[in-house]
Amino acid sequence: GENVEQHPSTLSVQEGDSAVIKCTYSDSASNYFPWYKQELGKRPQLIIDIRSNVGEKKDQRIAVTLNKTAKHFSLHITETQPEDSAVYFCAATRTTSGTYKYIFGTGTRLKVLA
Amino acid sequence: DGGITQSPKYLFRKEGQNVTLSCEQNLNHDAMYWYRQDPGQGLRLIYYSQIVNDFQKGDIAEGYSVSREKKESFPLTVTSAQKNPTAFYLCASRQSQAIYGYTFGSGTRLTVV
Repeated sequence: GENVEQHPSTLSVQEGDSAVIKCTYSDSASNYFPWYKQELGKRPQLIIDIRSNVGEKKDQRIAVTLNKTAKHFSLHITETQPEDSAVYFCAATRTTSGTYKYIFGTGTRLKVLA
Repeated sequence: DGGITQSPKYLFRKEGQNVTLSCEQNLNHDAMYWYRQDPGQGLRLIYYSQIVNDFQKGDIAEGYSVSREKKESFPLTVTSAQKNPTAFYLCASRQSQAIYGYTFGSGTRLTVV
């Protein structure tokens, strides 16, 4: 079945350094890829998304890149801050299906060390 | 708070009991979803509904049931047939005519005692 693999499962970086989280999807028809940030005990919040017609999108310190040929996409956080510490989930979906069911990755716990 | 409300925040269930988790949204969203979150397993889809009076099973529907009698409400019942119900349950909604991300509720943590 369809799945999304996410790596690494945990990531520790020093404050100010960059963090990269990678996801690989199996459904070649997937065309929408959101990223969610979930702080402990709270709801996931959409932080950035990308559609298959672009290769990169940036929003301040956060960027996402997409390689459709290789079927993988990555989240890049630059100049990390302690408040970036959270669990990050990637997801993929094919909007043409009409259902917009997201297939989520297993999450990455990011710890930014002060 | 975000337009989608889940209640209760914490729920304790005795073995053999059915419990119902509430999910209400005032965003006028057509589609609603229930996900289960376990440590190290990400979010897995239980049920989803695209319109009132219609819903479909997700990947792990066994032991769960839902209803969608109103656009605003999508309650999830965890039945006694669900053998390992302890988890964090998230409800989400989405405007079906737009390619936007889900809006999530704040979740319900269910524990079997």
